[in-house]
Amino acid sequence: GQNIDQPTEMTATEGAIVQINCTYQTSGFNGLFWYQQHAGEAPTFLSYNVLDGLEEKGRFSSFLSRSKGYSYLLLKELQMKDSASYLCAVRDINQGGKLIFGQGTELSVKP
Amino acid sequence: ETGVTQTPRHLVMGMTNKKSLKCEQHLGHNAMYWYKQSAKKPLELMFVYSLEERVENNSVPSRFSPECPNSSHLFLHLHTLQPEDSALYLCASSLGQGRNTIYFGEGSWLTVV
Repeated sequence: GQNIDQPTEMTATEGAIVQINCTYQTSGFNGLFWYQQHAGEAPTFLSYNVLDGLEEKGRFSSFLSRSKGYSYLLLKELQMKDSASYLCAVRDINQGGKLIFGQGTELSVKP
Repeated sequence: ETGVTQTPRHLVMGMTNKKSLKCEQHLGHNAMYWYKQSAKKPLELMFVYSLEERVENNSVPSRFSPECPNSSHLFLHLHTLQPEDSALYLCASSLGQGRNTIYFGEGSWLTVV
């Protein structure tokens, strides 16, 4: 079966760095996505990893280790507007390429 | 503006009502999806349409009935719902089913009373 785990909640300080971890178990891994979702809004695409390593995009970076079934999203120079839910999702080729989502990590950025 | 528009944004309906949720995408995509998002639970995939043909139905109760008249429009028809169906219903689209990034609409908040 499929299982995706990420912390339910995290708190960090404005200007700091925070790392949100995601572990997964899936039979047909074919890519990992991170989405950001502000309360009452659409999930918006942040990053995509299919090969091992780090993908950097401005203040956000995402890392993948396929052998460990592990990814993290790194947010630097935190801003208050980064307070949101961060969703980890894995594409499973054995399920027609369906995205399997974790429950999301609610990040609160404090002044 | 994500390119995927959902209406209505909020809907309150009784258990005996019939209503519909509408989704329209302006991204030129050919696959569309309905997801259910309940509090503290992962996003649940309900239906997938690829080239206007339903390719997946994840054991969703028959009180939810999807319709995809063309590649830009997707509906979710609702009838005789239960209070536990109250949730955020998200529409999404992508270029190619099972490939590429999916893009979400802002969702329709449904409350069943």
